[in-house]
Amino acid sequence: AQSVTQLGSHVSVSEGALVLLRCNYSSSVPPYLFWYVQYPNQGLQLLLKYTSAATLVKGINGFEAEFKKSETSFHLTKPSAHMSDAAEYFCAVSDSDSYGKLTFGQGTILTVHP
Amino acid sequence: EAQVTQNPRYLITVTGKKLTVTCSQNMNHEYMSWYRQDPGLGLRQIYYSMNVEVTDKGDVPEGYKVSRKEKRNFPLILESPSPNQTSLYFCASSSSVNTEAFFGQGTRLTVV
Repeated sequence: AQSVTQLGSHVSVSEGALVLLRCNYSSSVPPYLFWYVQYPNQGLQLLLKYTSAATLVKGINGFEAEFKKSETSFHLTKPSAHMSDAAEYFCAVSDSDSYGKLTFGQGTILTVHP
Repeated sequence: EAQVTQNPRYLITVTGKKLTVTCSQNMNHEYMSWYRQDPGLGLRQIYYSMNVEVTDKGDVPEGYKVSRKEKRNFPLILESPSPNQTSLYFCASSSSVNTEAFFGQGTRLTVV
């Protein structure tokens, strides 16, 4: 069975600082990996996805993630945090054996301080 | 505008009173699913549908039913809600497996 682990349920950074949100996955077959963002009282919005093309994936709002097969990781980064980045972030995985089911991590709440 | 629409957004009900949460998508997507979101657990899949009249259980299907009579609609039915079904529910759709999922705005359900 697939699983996704997000290290750190809460991450706090200062405005302008590097954002690093960690995600590790387990999958028996090549995975499809996603990062979603959830703003308060809203649904989930796709930030970026990895589908076996380039290992460094660029997403919206300046975010990017790197797929590292040897580490089974897909960490999300942004060089400089903005106040508007404050939200909850979810890493998710699916694979060709899962009929499209997304398995989500527990989520990481990002707080950005002035 | 491409969207997934859920109704209602907020619902408070009593134990045992049947309810339905509707979900509709306007993107002609074949794949639809329901998730529940609980603090510290992320989102967990309740049921999914690969196409009209094709549905199957996800990870936490107990206490829920679904139907897919039309491609655009995928209602979630709680025949006899219980307090442990208090949660935030999301409907999602995608054009096929392993492509981007589009999520509705969520339905916050409280069962007292």
